[in-house]
This record gives sequence, C-alpha cells and structure tokens, in this order.
Amino acid sequence: EVQLVGSGGGLVQPGGSLRLSCAVSGFTFSSYPMNWVRQAPGKGLEWVSAISSSGGSTYYADSVKGRFTISRDNSKKMLYLQMNSLRAEDTAVYYCAKRRDAVATMGALDIWGQGTMVTVSS
Amino acid sequence: SYELTQPPSVSVSPGQTARITCSADALPKQYAYWYQQKPGQAPVLMIYKDSERPSGIPERFSGSSSGTTVTLTISGVQAEDEADYYCQSADSSGTSFGTGTKVTVL
Repeated sequence: EVQLVGSGGGLVQPGGSLRLSCAVSGFTFSSYPMNWVRQAPGKGLEWVSAISSSGGSTYYADSVKGRFTISRDNSKKMLYLQMNSLRAEDTAVYYCAKRRDAVATMGALDIWGQGTMVTVSS
Repeated sequence: SYELTQPPSVSVSPGQTARITCSADALPKQYAYWYQQKPGQAPVLMIYKDSERPSGIPERFSGSSSGTTVTLTISGVQAEDEADYYCQSADSSGTSFGTGTKVTVL
C-alpha cells in the first residue's frame, strides 16, 4: 500500500524553527518528485515547496523562500521540510504529497499524507 | 505562480449536474488538475491533465478545457460528493491552487 506519514508538527514561538518529516512506503521513492502543500485553518490549499526525484532541484513559494528548505533522503525514503524564522501566518496543516508522474517536478499530486499541524504562536 | 479563480460555492440537488469553473490567463499553456477535499481529510486527485481520470475515481467526474477556463463536471451528483474542490495548475517553477469551491448537495 502506498503511504505517506507526516510528523514533526507542533507549537512553536514566532521566530522559531521546526523540521517536518514525511516517511514514505509502497512505491519507489527515489523515482518521484515530492511536494509540500499547506492549509491554514479554514482556508484553501497553498503550495509550499517541491523537490526533484534526485533532490538536485528545489522550488519554493515566494512566501517561504529563504526561510524553508526542502530535502530528501532516498536511502531512508524520507522527505523533510526545515522551517526557520516561523511567523504566525505559517500556522497551517502541512501535507507531503507525491507527484503522479516521474517526468516533471510540477504537476498532479496523486498521494497525500495525513497532514501535520504547525502552530506558530507565543 | 498565478491566480486561479473559482466560484466560492455551488449548490446542486441530488442527481443533477454540478459544474465548477477555474480560470486564469496561463491555463491555455498548462494542464489543470482537480482535487476533492472533505472535512478533516487530505485532498484526493480527481482529474489530471485537464480531463484524465485516475483509477478508482467514479465516471460521474469529468474535466474539460476551453480557452482560459477549465471545468470540473459532476454528473448525477450524490450526497457523498459534498466537499471542497480545488483546481491546480503548474509551470516549470511552481504550482498554484485555485481559491476553492464548496459544493453543497441540497
């Protein structure tokens, strides 16, 4: 069974840091680009970041560029999102998601994790 | 990234047809994708490449494209189709999601 399990969320103070993890199983992780998407409480979906299958190319939304870093460990089948200089507006459920196609980093996301909640508040 | 505009809400009676539009200037050059999200759950891919349906998605869900607008059509709406629906499009450097449409089954 294809599965993405996110973890690492929690309560953090403004200006703080947090690292999210996404454990993958059920498919050849190293072949597929991966994405992070977030959803603030009661709001819509917002794309955060993407990484190529090899990890050699990374992409970020303007709202997180310079503060967040996406990475992956293909040997461990793990995806990460390092979040620094957190702000109240970063409060959201963060989803890891698998690209449907192995060809391009951007496009349809066919498998999503259950989401992990990040709350930035003093 | 760019803005993808959807109507905030669509209401439909069971058995009728619901149509959800998504528009943006960049759509003619990029494919569009559609997701269904129910409360407390992760999104589910319903349509990819404008009109392709992943395995396991009911045939009553279909997608189409015309000019700068893409449309998700739900034919013969069922109570279980009540959810939020989001379009998505992407280019080589990023992805954008639509503003979301809440479908209410009356």
